[in-house]
Amino acid sequence: GEDVEQSLFLSVREGDSSVINCTYTDSSSTYLYWYKQEPGAGLQLLTYIFSNMDMKQDQRLTVLLNKKDKHLSLRIADTQTGDSAIYFCAESPSGGYNKLIFGAGTRLAVHP
Amino acid sequence: DTEVTQTPKHLVMGMTNKKSLKCEQHMGHRAMYWYKQKAKKPPELMFVYSYEKLSINESVPSRFSPECPNSSLLNLHLHALQPEDSALYLCASSQAPDRDGTQYFGPGTRLLVL
Repeated sequence: GEDVEQSLFLSVREGDSSVINCTYTDSSSTYLYWYKQEPGAGLQLLTYIFSNMDMKQDQRLTVLLNKKDKHLSLRIADTQTGDSAIYFCAESPSGGYNKLIFGAGTRLAVHP
Repeated sequence: DTEVTQTPKHLVMGMTNKKSLKCEQHMGHRAMYWYKQKAKKPPELMFVYSYEKLSINESVPSRFSPECPNSSLLNLHLHALQPEDSALYLCASSQAPDRDGTQYFGPGTRLLVL
């Protein structure tokens, strides 16, 4: 079956690194995504990784993919208060039509 | 430009009203999506349009009626809604299903049904 799991809450100090974890079940997923949602806003695409990659880095963001364990992580370096938001992991299973399966979302709280 | 726009931003309607939500993108995408998001939950897929044709309806009640008049526009017509339909309605678009499926979301319409 299709299922994406994330821890629900993470609290970090400003300037530290944040690591948000996600596990997925469909090994045929082509792409895996991280979206950010601030209060009252839509989903902002942060980054994504193709399933044949192990790592992708984009400025302060690093995505690690362990296909064997079906584990995805998002590391945010030098976390700022503006990074406070809900972060959704999503997989795109095979079968066309680009259906996204979302995790429940991880609420990141950044404190001084 | 990866912008998807949605209007209105907020909408309050009674259970007997008819209203429409509008979504627009100018990225040349040929797949467009409607999602419903309740508080503290992930988005739930409602409809998918591919090349202006409805390709997925996730068993959505008929009081929600989607329409795709052209490749840039997606509407969601609302009629006789219930209070439990109050939610954030998100539109997204992507390249066609046989290409890069990365979805770009709009800011959403926050709907309150009284």
